[in-house]
Amino acid sequence: EPEVTQTPSHQVTQMGQEVILRCVPISNHLYFYWYRQILGQKVEFLVSFYNNEISEKSEIFDDQFSVERPDGSNFTLKIRSTKLEDSAMYFCASSGRDRGPYEQYFGPGTRLTVT
Amino acid sequence: AQSVTQLGSHVSVSEGALVLLRCNYSSSVPPYLFWYVQYPNQGLQLLLKYTTGATLVKGINGFEAEFKKSETSFHLTKPSAHMSDAAEYFCAVRGLGGSQGNLIFGKGTKLSVKP
Repeated sequence: EPEVTQTPSHQVTQMGQEVILRCVPISNHLYFYWYRQILGQKVEFLVSFYNNEISEKSEIFDDQFSVERPDGSNFTLKIRSTKLEDSAMYFCASSGRDRGPYEQYFGPGTRLTVT
Repeated sequence: AQSVTQLGSHVSVSEGALVLLRCNYSSSVPPYLFWYVQYPNQGLQLLLKYTTGATLVKGINGFEAEFKKSETSFHLTKPSAHMSDAAEYFCAVRGLGGSQGNLIFGKGTKLSVKP
């Protein structure tokens, strides 16, 4: 069964450094999302992406964040200058037109630790 | 505003016992409701969803949930717990961000199953 994959599974970085989290969505999906979960807190929506542009973003998704679909398969989240409070699990998700944007398939997550 | 409250961060049941995980929601539009499960070191997997129609929805692995508008609830049940059901369960409601499928999650309930 097709699945969403994410790399790396764990990333450790120093405060102020840039990180790029990578995701490979399910191949025929059209909608892409990033969520994050700070330890012990709720899974929070960051951004959705459709037709090569951001379709919606939360207030968490400030100028430090950006997303890109550099080719036909990858979907990336970049954090330009990481802060301690960016430490979290980051989930990528995708959904297809056949079942609508609400049936989202999630990847296993990337645990980002900022020191 | 959209929100989800999951009562009980940790629920423990014996194998073979009824599983009941509680979810209450707040929504300013007709709600679309979801339950996701997360096994250790894996992504979020959709268990079931309610959009419109029948209020009792059946999902994978023997789980079901009933949408009760009068109680603003969408509790998840399974008649007989298996050891393999031990995981974290997340209830979610659709956000208000147009059609792109922003999901609002609860904090999750960790289910333990005792032999």
